[in-house]
Amino acid sequence: AQSVTQLGSHVSVSEGALVLLRCNYSSSVPPYLFWYVQYPNQGLQLLLKYTTGATLVKGINGFEAEFKKSETSFHLTKPSAHMSDAAEYFCAVTLWGDKIIFGKGTRLHILP
Amino acid sequence: SAVISQKPSRDICQRGTSLTIQCQVDSQVTMMFWYRQQPGQSLTLIATANQGSEATYESGFVIDKFPISRPNLTFSTLTVSNMSPEDSSIYLCSVKRENTGELFFGEGSRLTVL
Repeated sequence: AQSVTQLGSHVSVSEGALVLLRCNYSSSVPPYLFWYVQYPNQGLQLLLKYTTGATLVKGINGFEAEFKKSETSFHLTKPSAHMSDAAEYFCAVTLWGDKIIFGKGTRLHILP
Repeated sequence: SAVISQKPSRDICQRGTSLTIQCQVDSQVTMMFWYRQQPGQSLTLIATANQGSEATYESGFVIDKFPISRPNLTFSTLTVSNMSPEDSSIYLCSVKRENTGELFFGEGSRLTVL
């Protein structure tokens, strides 16, 4: 069965600094991978996804993530943090036709 | 992307009562999913609702506590029965895009049980 681990329940970065949120997965076969964002008092919004093809995927709001099979990782990055990026971020994994499993989430804090 | 509407968006309920959450999708979908997000926690899948069949519940969730209806391809309800303060959570409805597996979520229903 697949699983996903997010390192760091809270991450703080200064405005303008690099954002790096870590996600590692466990799966017996190549999975589909997702990053979702949840702003306060809102539902989840898809940031980006990896299914097949190019391992570097770009999403909304300047975020991107790279699928590294050898490291079983799918870390989320953004070159320059903005105050509006403060939110909860969830990494998720699924196999085709199976249910989606979510990580525990990482709350991103942006320091002025 | 699918547009998903949930009602109520929030409610405060008394212990022992039941509340039904409605989920409306703007397109026909095969599977709908109900998730629970407890305060400060990640999402936990409660059940998968297919039209015309019984919902499939995940370990730790039972039909008597969380009955689900799926009368057609655009609508589902989740009832939280005999509520206790431990049921205070956000309940989220979602649908899946078949070719990529991504989920689309409603805004969620925030329940507080006193």
